[in-house]
Formats: sequence, structure tokens, C-alpha cells
Amino acid sequence: ILNVEQSPQSLHVQEGDSTNFTCSFPSSNFYALHWYRWETAKSPEALFVMTLNGDEKKKGRISATLNTKEGYSYLYIKGSQPEDSATYLCARGGGTSYGKLTFGQGTILTVHP
Amino acid sequence: DTEVTQTPKHLVMGMTNKKSLKCEQHMGHRAMYWYKQKAKKPPELMFVYSYEKLSINESVPSRFSPECPNSSLLNLHLHALQPEDSALYLCASSYTGQGGGYTFGSGTRLTVV
Repeated sequence: ILNVEQSPQSLHVQEGDSTNFTCSFPSSNFYALHWYRWETAKSPEALFVMTLNGDEKKKGRISATLNTKEGYSYLYIKGSQPEDSATYLCARGGGTSYGKLTFGQGTILTVHP
Repeated sequence: DTEVTQTPKHLVMGMTNKKSLKCEQHMGHRAMYWYKQKAKKPPELMFVYSYEKLSINESVPSRFSPECPNSSLLNLHLHALQPEDSALYLCASSYTGQGGGYTFGSGTRLTVV
């Protein structure tokens, strides 16, 4: 994998469903994996930053896992609510340039009442 | 104050105009970033400032000129832009070191006519 890739590109779920997205990234020269939540007309909001293989983080109904050896991260949302509707971006930090985050194209989540 | 403030929110400019985008934060972050996002694409890094010094320039054309006059302010000076430069310009800040998440502004929507 040369770039940061997210799947699916979009997702429609019903209120109360649990869902998950995938972020795949180059595993060489890895330093950190970020997840952001971006609602329309607002600022991207940091959800998690993970650095260690096997990391798991949780914030309310949202959790994330990290596998740096195989280069992927999962984001889980339990019991989706309409207010969870947003674009979820992952970004990989690392390589030779400090401060450079490479973003995936995002997963657009729509939660229907 | 836990925000990054960007002004203006919207900007329309002609190809011969000179304009500036402004970004301000008062969180004590010493790293500041400019990202560019075209529709349906991931945000792409343009510049990184660390301790008010330019540390990364991602081969951005010289018609974009960044400036960091102090630790709280980041400007992006625009001159002789092309219509293809129309995009959302996002500013972000963070503590130095890659362990923390970025705080983003809500962006400036730029249209070049």
C-alpha cells in the first residue's frame, strides 16, 4: 500500500446499528495514526491518535484499533445515532518528514432515524 | 481557548488580485499547518511551521506564500492564483511531536475567478 486508503467510501445505516470502517496505510516508517470526525461546515475534530501496535482507544460509543505490522486501523461505532452522521477521516503520520499527515479520502457515514 | 480561528470563511478573488488568509490559535501550540482540500479529495499538506520557522514546503507554487509572524498567527498570502486553486484551505495547529491530534479551523472556501 502506497497511500492511505479508507473503505467504504460511504455508508448508510439505521439508527441503533453498529458499524465499522477501515483505514489501510503503508506500514514502513510509521509513527502515528489519527482519526478525525468532520461534520459539514465545521472543523475536523480529533477522535484518536494511536502509535503502538495493538493500541485500542475508546471515546463513548466510538472505538478504534491499530495494527501497525499489517498497516490497518478499524473505527467502530456502537449504536449509531443521527448525530454520528459525518465524514470520518484517518491520517497517517510518519516517514521522514516530521509533522506530515497523509489523509485518506474519508468514509461518509449517514445514520437514518 | 481551544479553537483555531480562520478568516475569512469565504473568499472570491480574481486572478490578478492579492489576498491573504489568516489563522489564529491561543493554545500554545508551536506547530501550525496549511492544508488544501479539493472536492471529494483528502486534505493535502501545503506547509508546516515549527516554532515559527518553515519546516515543510510540499513543493507548493510560489503564488502561495506562507508567513508565521508569531507563535499564534499563521498567514497564507495569495497572488496571481489560477481557477484550479479554488479549494477549501484548512489551517491546523498541534503541539510539536507526533503524539497528539491536530486542532483544525473550519477553513476558508476560496474561489478564483
